[in-house]
Amino acid sequence: DAGVIQSPRHEVTEMGQEVTLRCKPISGHDYLFWYRQTMMRGLELLIYFNNNVPIDDSGMPEDRFSAKMPNASFSTLKIQPSEPRDSAVYFCASSFTGVEGNTIYFGEGSWLTVV
Amino acid sequence: GENVEQHPSTLSVQEGDSAVIKCTYSDSASNYFPWYKQELGKGPQLIIDIRSNVGEKKDQRIAVTLNKTAKHFSLHITETQPEDSAVYFCAASPRFGAGTRLTVKP
Repeated sequence: DAGVIQSPRHEVTEMGQEVTLRCKPISGHDYLFWYRQTMMRGLELLIYFNNNVPIDDSGMPEDRFSAKMPNASFSTLKIQPSEPRDSAVYFCASSFTGVEGNTIYFGEGSWLTVV
Repeated sequence: GENVEQHPSTLSVQEGDSAVIKCTYSDSASNYFPWYKQELGKGPQLIIDIRSNVGEKKDQRIAVTLNKTAKHFSLHITETQPEDSAVYFCAASPRFGAGTRLTVKP
């Protein structure tokens, strides 16, 4: 399997622009997670889905952030409008059956810089 | 939700020494405790995990111990090597600790 695939790998955008990050989870996995990593805040869970349904979005920082999972093989994380403080590495991850008891597989991350 | 605290935030050891990283969690219902290693420019990857019915698990130079009563678990790396230098995360899935940056000096 190719693993979790994220795009773009790197993005530099201007403040105020819309940013869309994309993720293809590992085939057959039923959980999908979005994390944000910064030096200050570590690895934060933003939102996770089970069978395409959002389960916990309490980590989404504010209304500028939204995530969707229209089908089992695709998810997006959108930031609109973007701000410099959104600069971070965004990881998508997936796992199979069970938040508590199964390995979470991470993608390589999307490195976002907002100038 | 689950609260996961990890320490130390940085750890520097001499090659060949042991390293220990500790993690505490808040939800007594948690029953799965993984450790992940993140190398530069990559996503975290699982290196070892333990379930609540086991007190210790070992895989070559790494081991994890669990104390369910105290709600803490630890990662032990023996005979450290420079390639062990990375950031290590504990998790009470799906939430992660803040990470420990381990540096192994040759």
